[in-house]
Amino acid sequence: KAGVTQTPRYLIKTRGQQVTLSCSPISGHRSVSWYQQTPGQGLQFLFEYFSETQRNKGNFPGRFSGRQFSNSRSEMNVSTLELGDSALYLCASSLGDQGSEQYFGPGTRLTVT
Amino acid sequence: AQSVTQPDIHITVSEGASLELRCNYSYGATPYLFWYVQSPGQGLQLLLKYFSGDTLVQGIKGFEAEFKRSQSSFNLRKPSVHWSDAAEYFCAVGVPQGAQKLVFGQGTRLTINP
Repeated sequence: KAGVTQTPRYLIKTRGQQVTLSCSPISGHRSVSWYQQTPGQGLQFLFEYFSETQRNKGNFPGRFSGRQFSNSRSEMNVSTLELGDSALYLCASSLGDQGSEQYFGPGTRLTVT
Repeated sequence: AQSVTQPDIHITVSEGASLELRCNYSYGATPYLFWYVQSPGQGLQLLLKYFSGDTLVQGIKGFEAEFKRSQSSFNLRKPSVHWSDAAEYFCAVGVPQGAQKLVFGQGTRLTINP
């Protein structure tokens, strides 16, 4: 069974631009969660989508948004990029049941200049 | 709100030595507990998880962890480390009320001396 895939793997953007990252979950998984990883703040939860609905949200500004499609693939979008948005963005997929294991993709490394 | 503390930012052990990585959590009830490992440039790989039942859980790559409710701890152990175990290790807590949100500790970077 293929793992979680994320595209692109690396991205360089300029302040003020917007970016869209993509995540394809493991086949059969209906939940996709997104995390931001930075050296200063560590791993922080952004949001979770389950069956095309946002089910949980972390403490990030509205510039961070996401969506999920009927095939469970998910995208996250960051608008008006700031230097502080430079990070590794990880997505994780799971069956979505209570306490089910989350399987992480390799991440997208975003650099904002 | 739940939180996770990994007191050791960096640990160095010799190959073949035993290992214990500490994790303390804060939550009003028994949460779901996880240990993940991250190699440089990689995503996170699940080592093991605790949901309920036996407080000593076995994971992949020879790792085990013990849940101690009285100490709010979930320490990771391995009897004999290999050079390939060098990585960053993250403890995480999940809330049982349905959400998939994980709260992670700051991580412990493990270096192995040959």
